[in-house]
Amino acid sequence: GQQVMQIPQYQHVQEGEDFTTYCNSSTTLSNIQWYKQRPGGHPVFLIQLVKSGEVKKQKRLTFQFGEAKKNSSLHITATQTTDVGTYFCAEDTGRRALTFGSGTRLQVQP
Amino acid sequence: DAGVIQSPRHEVTEMGQEVTLRCKPISGHDYLFWYRQTMMRGLELLIYFNNNVPIDDSGMPEDRFSAKMPNASFSTLKIQPSEPRDSAVYFCASSSRGEKLFFGSGTQLSVL
Repeated sequence: GQQVMQIPQYQHVQEGEDFTTYCNSSTTLSNIQWYKQRPGGHPVFLIQLVKSGEVKKQKRLTFQFGEAKKNSSLHITATQTTDVGTYFCAEDTGRRALTFGSGTRLQVQP
Repeated sequence: DAGVIQSPRHEVTEMGQEVTLRCKPISGHDYLFWYRQTMMRGLELLIYFNNNVPIDDSGMPEDRFSAKMPNASFSTLKIQPSEPRDSAVYFCASSSRGEKLFFGSGTQLSVL
């Protein structure tokens, strides 16, 4: 079945540094979603990418969907302590249910 | 809107006991999902419903797990009998037309 691989598992950065997490699938995706989970919290929807090569920005966050629709990335510019949490990509299995990647835990040192 | 409401927030029980987790989805949402989160296995989809009908329960680990959705505003996930390996955070989520998910705050289950 479909499987979403996410790297890195963990990243520790100094405040102000950039951060990127990558998501790779073995199959072509219809769309991909990104979620953020703060420590002790629940996943919160960030964005959905649908089109091949799509790039979307939310303030300091930039999301990309690969040309082949098999990979995606989330880049944060100039991290802040409020960015701390785990970032998940999630693929739509095509039946309206999401399979989540393993997540990338981001720690930001002030 | 109050969002997705789950209860209880925390449950501590002994092995062999029955556990019932509850979820109230966002009004008007037609999809409801139950996920389980552990350090080892991450976020796993257990089962999901569309218009109160179970669509896919292939993620339910064993016959000890069962889920129901008697109406559009309520769902339960039951574990009977519970085992220590069931300890996890159980999330309920709902969505409209299967688009972005709105998660509840989760139930932290500890089976001793």
